[in-house]
Amino acid sequence: DQQVKQNSPSLSVQEGRISILNCDYTNSMFDYFLWYKKYPAEGPTFLISISSIKDKNEDGRFTVFLNKSAKHLSLHIVPSQPGDSAVYFCGRGNTPLVFGKGTRLSVIA
Amino acid sequence: SAVISQKPSRDICQRGTSLTIQCQVDSQVTMMFWYRQQPGQSLTLIATANQGSEATYESGFVIDKFPISRPNLTFSTLTVSNMSPEDSSIYLCSVEGDSLSYEQYFGPGTRLTVT
Repeated sequence: DQQVKQNSPSLSVQEGRISILNCDYTNSMFDYFLWYKKYPAEGPTFLISISSIKDKNEDGRFTVFLNKSAKHLSLHIVPSQPGDSAVYFCGRGNTPLVFGKGTRLSVIA
Repeated sequence: SAVISQKPSRDICQRGTSLTIQCQVDSQVTMMFWYRQQPGQSLTLIATANQGSEATYESGFVIDKFPISRPNLTFSTLTVSNMSPEDSSIYLCSVEGDSLSYEQYFGPGTRLTVT
């Protein structure tokens, strides 16, 4: 049973527009979530996190929203840039980390 | 943040053989983690390696198949034993970040292809 689901394997967005990446989770007890970004031939790098006591966390162009009642979180990237093209993983925090399958974002110039 | 290197970066191996992947961290860390990412799948934790004790394996992973060494606080190895094509994956090691967060730092990964 997948605890963290990213149902969109890929997403294409034009440069300058908003990218929205979605993630659903199954267990309402999860209390910490992270987003990682992965470029080809590199390990994932931490992007942004959110605790369940918040419904929004913002860091520059990146904002993560958490809807606890829907067990859903989303990552917004505004404005999207070509360098944002990567695979994005959402993950449940707490050791061990549990990740979704990832969404490949392509930002088209 | 920690800087993590892995060797080899990629390899092509024949079925039935074994490959040992090395992970080196630029600072001393208590816990090191080994993950696998099979094609089209999520990052899945294989085991947690603590220095001076046996590794802790997640459900579905066993020591005979994935023996792990942790000889000191900056180094670990993962061996993929008796390989089959199903073991073709990217293998990544990681370490914990700030103790106040759940963030982890990942190595660049080892891409393994088993023929």
